[in-house]
Amino acid sequence: GAVVSQHPSRVICKSGTSVKIECRSLDFQATTMFWYRQFPKQSLMLMATSNEGSKATYEQGVEKDKFLINHASLTLSTLTVTSAHPEDSSFYICSATGLAGGQETQYFGPGTRLLVL
Amino acid sequence: DQQVKQNSPSLSVQEGRISILNCDYTNSMFDYFLWYKKYPAEGPTFLISISSIKDKNEDGRFTVFLNKSAKHLSLHIVPSQPGDSAVYFCAAATQGAQKLVFGQGTRLTINP
Repeated sequence: GAVVSQHPSRVICKSGTSVKIECRSLDFQATTMFWYRQFPKQSLMLMATSNEGSKATYEQGVEKDKFLINHASLTLSTLTVTSAHPEDSSFYICSATGLAGGQETQYFGPGTRLLVL
Repeated sequence: DQQVKQNSPSLSVQEGRISILNCDYTNSMFDYFLWYKKYPAEGPTFLISISSIKDKNEDGRFTVFLNKSAKHLSLHIVPSQPGDSAVYFCAAATQGAQKLVFGQGTRLTINP
């Protein structure tokens, strides 16, 4: 299946700093990537849809100025958590749409654990 | 408004037996359904999918059944193996694999 990577896998930062998370599709081109977050023992919640070469589409309740998304190429999308606060601590996961058996499927990265002190 | 529901938070099955994970949805516009397996601190791994034009899709030990009239799908794993122990999420989407809506997940434990 298609491979999606994320970097870093884990980050600890001080409150008020910004953190950038990279998501790469390694063996396929992804015109669309997605960013999710998952709180402990809860489901994955879609934050935004990242489209190559255009502005991201944010889900209701997600602050676009706080979670900056850039999809500069067909294989790279970045999520920047600006002025991070402890409540932003979460598991952030990206995904990209690729083909599996002729059908589009979302492939997920390994996730990034963010801890804001 | 939980559009995709997995009502069993956990399931315990003996090794070699069949595991059946269930998922219900409310949005009749969903036309594509996927099952993912997830280990702690890792991203979900795609297992199997089904489009609304089918009622069954099989891939090795994994079979997904879709009952559109009941808005219900299930994942069957047979025979169950210890390595199958994980959290399983069902997800639904309209227009292919865009904008997935996830259920809450079911933790499957396979006992030796």
